[in-house]
Amino acid sequence: QVQLVQSGAEMKKPGASVKVSCKAYGYIFTNNHMHWVRQAPGQGLVWMGIINPRGGATDYAQEFEGRVTMTRDTSTSTVFMELSSLRPEDTAVYYCACRGRFWGQGTLVTVSS
Amino acid sequence: DIQMTQSPSSLSASIGDRVTITCQASQDINTYLNWYQQRPGKAPNLLVYDATHLETGVPSRFSGSGSGTEFTLTISSLQPEDIATYYCQHYDNFPPFTFGPGTKVDIK
Repeated sequence: QVQLVQSGAEMKKPGASVKVSCKAYGYIFTNNHMHWVRQAPGQGLVWMGIINPRGGATDYAQEFEGRVTMTRDTSTSTVFMELSSLRPEDTAVYYCACRGRFWGQGTLVTVSS
Repeated sequence: DIQMTQSPSSLSASIGDRVTITCQASQDINTYLNWYQQRPGKAPNLLVYDATHLETGVPSRFSGSGSGTEFTLTISSLQPEDIATYYCQHYDNFPPFTFGPGTKVDIK
């Protein structure tokens, strides 16, 4: 069955970068776009961007433009989300999601000095 | 960019009550709308897609309606396991695919 498995929790200092991975199982990786969504503690869902695994084309929310990079590795059916220049307000759970119906388990990224 | 609003932001209802949550888009999105349920500490779970289509495995007490700019999620008879936050999200032609701010549902 379809599964999205994300990398583990991260702790980073302000100014650093974080790279979260999302490995897809159970479907043809290049057939479906992958979204990234984040959720700060006690807050709502925020759409960050989308990547087309077939060609690698991306589209980012303006809020993250210039700080976020989404990539993919078709040989391992994995997408990556890298967020740079981290600040404490980037502390959140980051999710990958496919077609709205398949979600990763979430990756907690904590940014603190 | 399309903005999504939801009302109410929270509600309390009794077991067995009919619960209605509304979602409004800032421009016509046809029926390109998903509804999600999110329980604390869990990833969102897709309930309704294309505004009115119930996702496989979702109880039939959930239903979605609407098109254009006005949408509704209805729980026909609230159950204890429905305690969660509910979000709408558009997926009209172009990103960003914005979520609504959420509606928190709890038991009175």
